[in-house]
Amino acid sequence: EVQLVESGGGLVQPGRSLRLSCAASGFTYDNFAMHWVRQGPGKGLEWVSGITWNSGNVGYADSVKGRFTISRDNAKNSLYLQMNSLRPEDTAVYYCAKDILGGELRYFFEWGQGTLVTVSS
Amino acid sequence: DIQMTQSPSSLSASVGDRVTITCQASQDIPNYLNWYQQKPGKAPKLLIYDVSNLETGVPSRFSGSRSGTDFTFTIRNLQPEDIATYYCQHYDNLSLLTFGGGTKVEI
Repeated sequence: EVQLVESGGGLVQPGRSLRLSCAASGFTYDNFAMHWVRQGPGKGLEWVSGITWNSGNVGYADSVKGRFTISRDNAKNSLYLQMNSLRPEDTAVYYCAKDILGGELRYFFEWGQGTLVTVSS
Repeated sequence: DIQMTQSPSSLSASVGDRVTITCQASQDIPNYLNWYQQKPGKAPKLLIYDVSNLETGVPSRFSGSRSGTDFTFTIRNLQPEDIATYYCQHYDNLSLLTFGGGTKVEI
């Protein structure tokens, strides 16, 4: 059974940093691209970032480009999101999601349950 | 960047109705369009990929199609368990993925 477990969320002040982690199990992790998707309170879904199986291709939403960095450690079956210069509008539940493919960023096939990030003074 | 305009933002229908949701692309795009269902308090679920391909295990009352830059998601014979918010999602060849604004379906 595929499991994606996010951690690292919490309350942080504007301008500070936070690092999210996603622990993956139940599948061959280094075969698949991975993503971060967020959902603000009462809002819709927003793709944040994605990374291919070998980290050869990464993508970012314009809203986080230059502030957030996605990475993965295939030896640890883990996905990360380093979030710097956080803003109140970054407040959201952050989901880790598994793609169907490895070398392309296309689909959100399996999802974690999310971790809440609140940016507030 | 390509924008996806999803409509309506919400709708109310009766059990057994046919429900249609549309996503309009700001320009012509390949068949890079997926649909998701999100029930309250749950993570989203992929229903349809690449316009019209039904994900394994998804009931056949769900379907997708396109006409030009308009992509349509249809639920035939609406069931109580279909109450959810539905999202379209586009991907491109530049590693950019975009969701539509969502459609909340109520009975």
